[in-house]
Amino acid sequence: DADVTQTPRNRITKTGKRIMLECSQTKGHDRMYWYRQDPGLGLRLIYYSFDVKDINKGEISDGYSVSRQAQAKFSLSLESAIPNQTALYFCATSDDRGRTDTQYFGPGTRLTVL
Amino acid sequence: SQELEQSPQSLIVQEGKNLTINCTSSKTLYGLYWYKQKYGEGLIFLMMLQKGGEEKSHEKITAKLDEKKQQSSLHITASQPSHAGIYLCGADIIGDYKLSFGAGTTVTVRA
Repeated sequence: DADVTQTPRNRITKTGKRIMLECSQTKGHDRMYWYRQDPGLGLRLIYYSFDVKDINKGEISDGYSVSRQAQAKFSLSLESAIPNQTALYFCATSDDRGRTDTQYFGPGTRLTVL
Repeated sequence: SQELEQSPQSLIVQEGKNLTINCTSSKTLYGLYWYKQKYGEGLIFLMMLQKGGEEKSHEKITAKLDEKKQQSSLHITASQPSHAGIYLCGADIIGDYKLSFGAGTTVTVRA
């Protein structure tokens, strides 16, 4: 079984709809991240959480919100989806080892907003 | 991320040939990570470099970190079709344990 799972893997929705993307991990890591990937732009950080009570905005948090329900679960919500939120979304986790904590990524969720 | 520049943006290599990808930072690197992504799929961790001059190898892939130049290179020897994909470098460039990523290099290996 994969250590980091994301659901759904693909989603098509309409403008204005509320969408939730879920991430679960079995690695026992404290830190979790949400990124979006757009062609030619690499990955950009949306939100990150260093533990259940610690949630922080990344570089592109506008239009998104998150919930850290437990150490193993980190959800990303689009309150009112818009077409420019069409992208590939990745969840990642890392252990708390200071500057050597490698991030491990989930398989991604492809979101299309019509 | 503008802080991390990858070059080339894409490359096509004949099977069996070598290739090199570069990742250059405009700021101090606290850790440099290389990932591989198959189109539309998740990122697979390859290697992490932390110290200047550090070099790591895994199978036919070697990564080096030049601390003075704030640059890392990823070298693949005798490329195979399995090496095709998108290679991304990520780095902690602020020292706050978050990663910034380059735009990626798409590698195509032709038989």
